[in-house]
Amino acid sequence: EPEVTQTPSHQVTQMGQEVILRCVPISNHLYFYWYRQILGQKVEFLVSFYNNEISEKSEIFDDQFSVERPDGSNFTLKIRSTKLEDSAMYFCASSEEASGGTQYFGPGTRLTVL
Amino acid sequence: QKEVEQDPGPLSVPEGAIVSLNCTYSNSAFQYFMWYRQYSRKGPELLMYTYSSGNKEDGRFTAQVDKSSKYISLFIRDSQPSDSATYLCAMKGSGNTGKLIFGQGTTLQVKP
Repeated sequence: EPEVTQTPSHQVTQMGQEVILRCVPISNHLYFYWYRQILGQKVEFLVSFYNNEISEKSEIFDDQFSVERPDGSNFTLKIRSTKLEDSAMYFCASSEEASGGTQYFGPGTRLTVL
Repeated sequence: QKEVEQDPGPLSVPEGAIVSLNCTYSNSAFQYFMWYRQYSRKGPELLMYTYSSGNKEDGRFTAQVDKSSKYISLFIRDSQPSDSATYLCAMKGSGNTGKLIFGQGTTLQVKP
């Protein structure tokens, strides 16, 4: 069964450093998403991406964040200068459609900012 | 008022019990309703997906949506210890948005 994969599973970084989180969505999916979950809190939407551009983003997704699809299979989330409050689980998801499409989530990357 | 509200629990039941999990929401534009299961420090796994109002059954799981009351439910019959996890409700509107709005999640423990 196809699945979304994410690397690394755990990333530890120093405050102010740049991190890149990587995702390989399901191969025939066209819509890609990043969500985050701070420990003990809700899963929160960050950004959606379609046709090589951002289609929607939340207030959390400020100038420190960027997304990219560098090739036909990978989808990345970059945090330019990490803050302590960026520590969270980051989940990538993908779907065939935006509106009615079912989103399938990856296992997540746990980001720890020291 | 929060967009999606879900009692975080924890909810503890004996094996074999029927479990009822619920969410309420405030945004009448929501059209798609989902239940995800999440094990500790893992990604959400889709369990049920429903469009608009009505019931949907899949094995031991039944999802219900009552749009008039802005209330959704997930029932688990013959609960098993392996059902112990956090259950997240999620929903979204129609149109081109894929943005999911999640509830807090309800932690369920099924005791043998």
